Amino acid sequence: DVKVTQSSRYLVKRTGEKVFLECVQDMDHENMFWYRQDPGLGLRLIYFSYDVKMKEKGDIPEGYSVSREKKERFSLILESASTNQTSMYLCASVRRGTDTQYFGPGTRLTVL
Amino acid sequence: GQQVMQIPQYQHVQEGEDFTTYCNSSTTLSNIQWYKQRPGGHPVFLIQLVKSGEVKKQKRLTFQFGEAKKNSSLHITATQTTDVGTYFCVRTNAGKSTFGDGTTLTVKP
Repeated sequence: DVKVTQSSRYLVKRTGEKVFLECVQDMDHENMFWYRQDPGLGLRLIYFSYDVKMKEKGDIPEGYSVSREKKERFSLILESASTNQTSMYLCASVRRGTDTQYFGPGTRLTVL
Repeated sequence: GQQVMQIPQYQHVQEGEDFTTYCNSSTTLSNIQWYKQRPGGHPVFLIQLVKSGEVKKQKRLTFQFGEAKKNSSLHITATQTTDVGTYFCVRTNAGKSTFGDGTTLTVKP
């Protein structure tokens, strides 16, 4: 079974703090994705990566950056957290050549 | 952008009733995927449809892909309380996925 883990289920941060969200997958998948999920807005793609040290902007990259130093780990970084970044953050991984996404449990981030 | 529209947004049914959610695209889809997200959970892959007119079944769930590959549907026969959750259709293009807004199903026992 594919396992995707995220560093925290719940996180509370203050405006202006730097926030790191970590995602690790154990199935040697090449592709990894970060989404945020908000009521009424569905899942929106923030960033994705097809390989180590590669990153591509998704639909809403503003205010975020990512890091992929190792194949199994994809980090989402909020350089200076703002209240409008309060959301559920979901990470997913996909084996290259397929489309099936395996999601982590999510991190519910609250920015005060 | 390339979106998929899903209707209805919400559906409340009595246990035992049927349920259908529809997914529509203005452009032709190479494939369509369906995911289910239970309350408090994360999306879980259900199925992928690739061929025009394809119909696939998983127990009480029936998935269809339109002949023109621009729409898809998920039908649940005789809903059960375990069916509650949000059902998403997802289009993928060049490895990048776009989720529909989902249909949230609640089931009264």
